[in-house]
Amino acid sequence: QVQLQESGPGLVKPSQTLSLTCTVSGGSISSGANYWTWIRQHPGKGLEWIGNIYHTGSTSYKSSLKSRLAISVDTSNNQFSLELRSVTAADTAVYYCARRGDHFSYDNWGLGTLVTVSS
Amino acid sequence: DIQMTQSPSSLSASVGDRVTITCRASQHIGRFLNWYQQKPGKAPKLLIYAASNLQSGVPSRFSGSGSATDFTLIIATLQSEDFATYYCQQGYSTPETFGQGTRVEIK
Repeated sequence: QVQLQESGPGLVKPSQTLSLTCTVSGGSISSGANYWTWIRQHPGKGLEWIGNIYHTGSTSYKSSLKSRLAISVDTSNNQFSLELRSVTAADTAVYYCARRGDHFSYDNWGLGTLVTVSS
Repeated sequence: DIQMTQSPSSLSASVGDRVTITCRASQHIGRFLNWYQQKPGKAPKLLIYAASNLQSGVPSRFSGSGSATDFTLIIATLQSEDFATYYCQQGYSTPETFGQGTRVEIK
């Protein structure tokens, strides 16, 4: 059973960079047709797809975040990462990493990590 | 971007009730529609994939149907553990958008 776990700072200052890593265990990040994805949820709100990456490094980003966003993969450590630059309070959210599996659905999720943007 | 619209946004129901939630896509998405359940403080859990396929381990009281633009999630006999928020999500094209959620509350 694949498991995902997010890690990174819970507090980021405005204008700085939010950096999170998702560690995948129980399976290889390079196997199958999986897309490794970041999804966020603003407090009390719905789910927002941010972007994804394939193990080859091919990425897809939400257009409104594209200028500030970078997702990368480290296959040797079975991890993928998110960097969101120039953050504001509007980026305060729970950030989830998830696996998009064979059926274009998210069948494995991390527990989520709350990131607060505040000085 | 494909817009996903769920209805209702919330509903009150009793244990044993039949619950129906609908999801409409702003354009044709085939059967690339998934349903999730989320409880407070928890990650979403996949219930239904590809419109009508029950994810492994999900109780059979959950079912999904639909294609193209209109989809339905049914909980045949609501149980106490089913009080949660439900989201639809399209996997047809990126960005892979979610509906706004339907909160199922205890009547």
